Amino acid sequence: EPEVTQTPSHQVTQMGQEVILRCVPISNHLYFYWYRQILGQKVEFLVSFYNNEISEKSEIFDDQFSVERPDGSNFTLKIRSTKLEDSAMYFCASSEQTSGGTDTQYFGPGTRLTVL
Amino acid sequence: RKEVEQDPGPFNVPEGATVAFNCTYSNSASQSFFWYRQDCRKEPKLLMSVYSSGNEDGRFTAQLNRASQYISLLIRDSKLSDSATYLCSFSGGYNKLIFGAGTRLAVHP
Repeated sequence: EPEVTQTPSHQVTQMGQEVILRCVPISNHLYFYWYRQILGQKVEFLVSFYNNEISEKSEIFDDQFSVERPDGSNFTLKIRSTKLEDSAMYFCASSEQTSGGTDTQYFGPGTRLTVL
Repeated sequence: RKEVEQDPGPFNVPEGATVAFNCTYSNSASQSFFWYRQDCRKEPKLLMSVYSSGNEDGRFTAQLNRASQYISLLIRDSKLSDSATYLCSFSGGYNKLIFGAGTRLAVHP
């Protein structure tokens, strides 16, 4: 069964450093997403991406964040200057399409980001 | 009113019990609804979509009540392996999901 993969599984970084989280969405999917979950809190939407551009982003997704699809398979989330409060689990998701509503999204296993 | 509200639980039930969770949402324009299951420190995994007419998948039944703006999940004949956090979610825009904080279920022997 096809699945979303993410690397690394755990990233530890110093405050102020840049991190890049990587995701390989399911191959025939067209929509890609990043969500985050701070420990003990709910899953929060960050950004959605379609046709090589951001289609929607949340208030959390400020100028410190960026996304990119550098090639035909990878989808990355970059945090330019990490803050302590960026420590969270970051989930990538993908969906085949959206048809006016919201298509089923499949989640990767997540990257646990720890900012020291 | 919060975008989505779930009873956090925990629901502690014996094996074989029937348990039901509700989830209320505030956005009346939402068109798609889902139940996800999340094990500790793992990713959300789709349990089932929720359709207007209600739908069933084995021991799991999902219902949608648009008038009262809630969805429900019924689990029959609970198994130990059902122990997890159950997240309701709905479409909060064209292509984003809004999640509830989750309801924790603990099934004991």
